[in-house]
Amino acid sequence: NAGVTQTPKFRVLKTGQSMTLLCAQDMNHEYMYWYRQDPGMGLRLIHYSVGEGTTAKGEVPDGYNVSRLKKQNFLLGLESAAPSQTSVYFCASRDRTNTEAFFGQGTRLTVV
Amino acid sequence: EDQVTQSPEALRLQEGESSSLNCSYTVSGLRGLFWYRQDPGKGPEFLFTLYSAGEEKEKERLKATLTKKESFLHITAPKPEDSATYLCAVNYGGATNKLIFGTGTLLAVQP
Repeated sequence: NAGVTQTPKFRVLKTGQSMTLLCAQDMNHEYMYWYRQDPGMGLRLIHYSVGEGTTAKGEVPDGYNVSRLKKQNFLLGLESAAPSQTSVYFCASRDRTNTEAFFGQGTRLTVV
Repeated sequence: EDQVTQSPEALRLQEGESSSLNCSYTVSGLRGLFWYRQDPGKGPEFLFTLYSAGEEKEKERLKATLTKKESFLHITAPKPEDSATYLCAVNYGGATNKLIFGTGTLLAVQP
């Protein structure tokens, strides 16, 4: 049982480059979330989805886009990376009726 | 403004030395307070959800309690494997379960 899998685990980007982070869950969860974690800031919600084909903005959405074309996948895109987007990104998912959220292992992104 | 504050930032205990971590919150209408454990280089791992003042939950050496303004995570007779960062979060999004996280307490338990 893989749970929540994030790809890649590490990435270094140059300013202005684009990339997509992939989150895949095999638990048939309805809700999926993207967070970023920065020192001294705690986890902050970027975007979330309450079901296939739906997305919504979280606390810090600027500079990011997301898509949920398939129920099991939630993609986070950076169109033009900036050094301020250097962070650890976590994906999470949960069932509609259960408040327990399952997190992936994280993606450490550095923008130089 | 909804806010979650955790204290202390870091705590060092001897094995067997019990203590408590604090999470104070200001949110308009609590819809759940969550405790997570996070090990270095890994994602947060769910521990507890509390919904109403007076509620308590236990898991092994951990017990979480909730009042109207704060929550405590009590650690009884900790072991080195309890060393981790403990995160507190509150639900501000209702059914969508959008969470505001505190910055965590880094716990180190020495043998």
